[in-house]
Amino acid sequence: DAGVIQSPRHEVTEMGQEVTLRCKPISGHNSLFWYRQTMMRGLELLIYFNNNVPIDDSGMPEDRFSAKMPNASFSTLKIQPSEPRDSAVYFCASSLGSGVNTEAFFGQGTRLTVV
Amino acid sequence: GEDVEQSLFLSVREGDSSVINCTYTDSSSTYLYWYKQEPGAGLQLLTYIFSNMDMKQDQRLTVLLNKKDKHLSLRIADTQTGDSAIYFCAERRGGYQKVTFGTGTKLQVIP
Repeated sequence: DAGVIQSPRHEVTEMGQEVTLRCKPISGHNSLFWYRQTMMRGLELLIYFNNNVPIDDSGMPEDRFSAKMPNASFSTLKIQPSEPRDSAVYFCASSLGSGVNTEAFFGQGTRLTVV
Repeated sequence: GEDVEQSLFLSVREGDSSVINCTYTDSSSTYLYWYKQEPGAGLQLLTYIFSNMDMKQDQRLTVLLNKKDKHLSLRIADTQTGDSAIYFCAERRGGYQKVTFGTGTKLQVIP
């Protein structure tokens, strides 16, 4: 398996534009997580899905952010409209089950720059 | 509530031991993890410990847990330049998927 695949790797966009980040989890994994990493706030959990259903979205900063998981092999994180303070590295991770060995496998991240 | 804190930076000389510290506030944390993030990459799990354990050793890595003080540490023996990375501690309550990460400690190894 190729691991968790995120696209694009880098995104530069102008303030006010819509941004869509994509994630393909590891095949067979049933949990998917979206994280945001910044220097100021570290690694923050935005939302996670279990069996394609959003379980906890309390980390989503505001209504401009939305996430979907239409099927087990694909998820999107959308920011509309984007703002400069959304600039960060966004990570997607997936895992299987909920036991102790539920290692979360991370993608390589999408570096978003909003100018 | 959930809060995981780490110091931001640690510098050690090659061959010395590194100790990275972490404190957490959720007394119901059941699993505690250490992840490593190399430049330009995502996070990779290094090791984990159950909350009913005091210590876990895995080759050059030693994890110590003081549950009373809610303090977790990661010791890297004979630190190498390849160990330079950001190290995150994280905690999870049993039965829950949500993992809360610390802000990460950047380890710099000086040759």
